[in-house]
Amino acid sequence: EPEVTQTPSHQVTQMGQEVILRCVPISNHLYFYWYRQILGQKVEFLVSFYNNEISEKSEIFDDQFSVERPDGSNFTLKIRSTKLEDSAMYFCASSPGTGVEQFFGPGTRLTVL
Amino acid sequence: GQQLNQSPQSMFIQEGEDVSMNCTSSSIFNTWLWYKQDPGEGPVLLIALYKAGELTSNGRLTAQFGITRKDSFLNISASIPSDVGIYFCAGHFGNEKLTFGTGTRLTIIP
Repeated sequence: EPEVTQTPSHQVTQMGQEVILRCVPISNHLYFYWYRQILGQKVEFLVSFYNNEISEKSEIFDDQFSVERPDGSNFTLKIRSTKLEDSAMYFCASSPGTGVEQFFGPGTRLTVL
Repeated sequence: GQQLNQSPQSMFIQEGEDVSMNCTSSSIFNTWLWYKQDPGEGPVLLIALYKAGELTSNGRLTAQFGITRKDSFLNISASIPSDVGIYFCAGHFGNEKLTFGTGTRLTIIP
């Protein structure tokens, strides 16, 4: 069964450093998303991406964040200058044509020191 | 913003018991989804509901889309050890994001 994959599974970085989180969505899905989950809390929407552009973003997704689909398979989330409060699990998700049923990857645990 | 509250926050049950949990919203949704999350993993889609009043089953799981479109319910029958985890409801309304609930943590007592 096709799955969303994410790398790395765990990323440790120093405050102020740039990180890139990578995702390979399910092939032939059209919608792509990033969510985050601070430890012990609910999953929060960051950004959605469709037709090679951002279609919606939350207030969390400020100028420090960017997304890219550099080729036909990868989908990346970049955080330009990490802050302590960026420490969280980051989940990539993808959805087929409807954009409703979203399938999540295993997540990347980001720890900012 | 939209708030989804789940109850109970946590449940401690014995294997074989039935489980009921619910999710209520301050606003309406067009679609309700239920996800299960195991520790350190991503949410896994269990059931999607598309119409008010809809009742849908997936094995031992049954979910309902409330008539008011502001709530949803999930039942698990005859619980087994692998049912342990956190269950999240999520609502979808026209735009593309999912709004997640606060979660219900299910623990099975040996």
